[in-house]
Amino acid sequence: NAGVMQNPRHLVRRRGQEARLRCSPMKGHSHVYWYRQLPEEGLKFMVYLQKENIIDESGMPKERFSAEFPKEGPSILRIQQVVRGDSAAYFCASSPRRGRLSNQPQHFGDGTRLSIL
Amino acid sequence: DQQVKQNSPSLSVQEGRISILNCDYTNSMFDYFLWYKKYPAEGPTFLISISSIKDKNEDGRFTVFLNKSAKHLSLHIVPSQPGDSAVYFCAAWGGNKLVFGAGTILRVKS
Repeated sequence: NAGVMQNPRHLVRRRGQEARLRCSPMKGHSHVYWYRQLPEEGLKFMVYLQKENIIDESGMPKERFSAEFPKEGPSILRIQQVVRGDSAAYFCASSPRRGRLSNQPQHFGDGTRLSIL
Repeated sequence: DQQVKQNSPSLSVQEGRISILNCDYTNSMFDYFLWYKKYPAEGPTFLISISSIKDKNEDGRFTVFLNKSAKHLSLHIVPSQPGDSAVYFCAAWGGNKLVFGAGTILRVKS
């Protein structure tokens, strides 16, 4: 499967725990984007990363949320001390180049559904 | 601030007829638009896009129209098929990211 891979597909955490969501981009793609979808809403941008660099984190909450895309391995979205309001579907997308400059569509993974008890 | 709006939460269409999904935007800096289709428990799948230098783009049964002066775009699906039943998202490139509308649920009845 050469698509964007996200794991786990479902993640259940208790309030106060940490959640780690992983995303492996499509082969040859070095640009990764994270989006969050709350129930009954569209996808909201969180962060845009290239290998080892955060390019735009304007959609990330200021506290508890962090993201990385190391030189080797998948991109990780980390949520510390989770709260009920973090329950959502988190989608990762990738593109081969800086999307806006090439007008490339982003290719999405199937998401991680995070549930907070 | 909802910069991309899809004002119809749902649409029901008979198989074989035309489906028209609408999208409005407020940011005049947007100049590239995309439509994505999403099934439950899956990620969005790219359908079709249009640049602001065009007013129409066609791909098989899917056509997107753009009216820049009205800041409005629409997706036409003809003929509609039951497999088209899904959530359709309109999106615009805004800086480094896609800005999405809230989606329209399309139900195609056979």
